[in-house]
Amino acid sequence: GAVVSQHPSRVICKSGTSVKIECRSLDFQATTMFWYRQFPKKSLMLMATSNEGSKATYEQGVEKDKFLINHASLTLSTLTVTSAHPEDSSFYICSAKTAQETQYFGPGTRLLVL
Amino acid sequence: AQSVSQHNHHVILSEAASLELGCNYSYGGTVNLFWYVQYPGQHLQLLLKYFSGDPLVKGIKGFEAEFIKSKFSFNLRKPSVQWSDTAEYFCANRGSSNTGKLIFGQGTTLQVKP
Repeated sequence: GAVVSQHPSRVICKSGTSVKIECRSLDFQATTMFWYRQFPKKSLMLMATSNEGSKATYEQGVEKDKFLINHASLTLSTLTVTSAHPEDSSFYICSAKTAQETQYFGPGTRLLVL
Repeated sequence: AQSVSQHNHHVILSEAASLELGCNYSYGGTVNLFWYVQYPGQHLQLLLKYFSGDPLVKGIKGFEAEFIKSKFSFNLRKPSVQWSDTAEYFCANRGSSNTGKLIFGQGTTLQVKP
């Protein structure tokens, strides 16, 4: 199956700093990737759709200036949480969509903002 | 708005019992339906998917799902569960999205007692 990686797997940062999370499709090219938040015992909440070479599409209620997304290549999308605050602490998951319209998920990044 | 509903939030079974997890979707047009599983501490993995054709879909690890258009349902089944099936199960529908974004159900926690 298709493999998607995320880095880092876990990050702790101070309030007010920025954190960058990388999402890579390792064995396929993905023109579209997605970023989700997952809360404990909850389903995934789609934050934004990341399109290679163009601006990301954000879901309602997600601040685009706070969660910066860059999809510079067909195998890499990055999510930068700017000026992070404790309420941004969460589990961030990315997925990459294959040409066969199937999403494969990364292992997630646990962000803790102190 | 399109939605996906999973009726069972928490299911507890003994090993060897049969499993059926309900999933209903709201969109009446073309559907791309998925079941994902998230084992404790791991990332979401694709169990199976339905795009068209035979409405009975077989996936990995002995799981299958049946697409019933008249009932807007895509229930997941396994004839005999194992302790290792303990996990969170998510149903998702691509629906009318032209970006390929998925609409997830709330998830079902399956606990299999040895």
